Amino acid sequence: QQQVKQSPQSLIVQKGGISIINCAYENTAFDYFPWYQQFPGKGPALLIAIRPDVSEKKEGRFTISFNKSAKQFSLHIMDSQPGDSATYFCAASMDTGRRALTFGSGTRLQVQP
Amino acid sequence: DGGITQSPKYLFRKEGQNVTLSCEQNLNHDAMYWYRQDPGQGLRLIYYSQIVNDFQKGDIAEGYSVSREKKESFPLTVTSAQKNPTAFYLCASSRAGGPGAFGSGTRLTVV
Repeated sequence: QQQVKQSPQSLIVQKGGISIINCAYENTAFDYFPWYQQFPGKGPALLIAIRPDVSEKKEGRFTISFNKSAKQFSLHIMDSQPGDSATYFCAASMDTGRRALTFGSGTRLQVQP
Repeated sequence: DGGITQSPKYLFRKEGQNVTLSCEQNLNHDAMYWYRQDPGQGLRLIYYSQIVNDFQKGDIAEGYSVSREKKESFPLTVTSAQKNPTAFYLCASSRAGGPGAFGSGTRLTVV
């Protein structure tokens, strides 16, 4: 019930292309869904987050799409750049009870010039 | 600058030894967390604390201990009972219902 499944494990995209990473969850009590970006040897940094009362949120080149009925959410990176090459993690948490984030297994994105 | 400071950046542990990882935050966040990251895997929750003098076990608490005597500090002790401690350890903090901010991590290696 606590699990968040993330795919693909790795992704190679050409510069200027769209990167898409998908996540699915089981626990309907989750009500906060952030995405984190992590560079090697560094801690994750919050990229963008969404709550289930909206179906889409856009910040610059990054968009989260959220499908509450399917219990799925995805990250789209438009106009992908070599500097976007990193590992991306989806996560989920609850505002009550255990508030700690439950993470997906990560997607290693490589954007080729 | 507000943030989360983890120290040391690298730590080496001998077999049978206890080691303590430091985590300090000046963000005035109530909640603090410890995660473990293994190569190619996501972050797994070790312990978390939502208020001073209180903490709960996460998904992989065996072999670890914590304390939360001050709001700013949440040290993690990796005990000799943890049979496979080599990993990247990340500390995080958050406001209630808010996003988590992470430290830069401590890489622990058993020698």
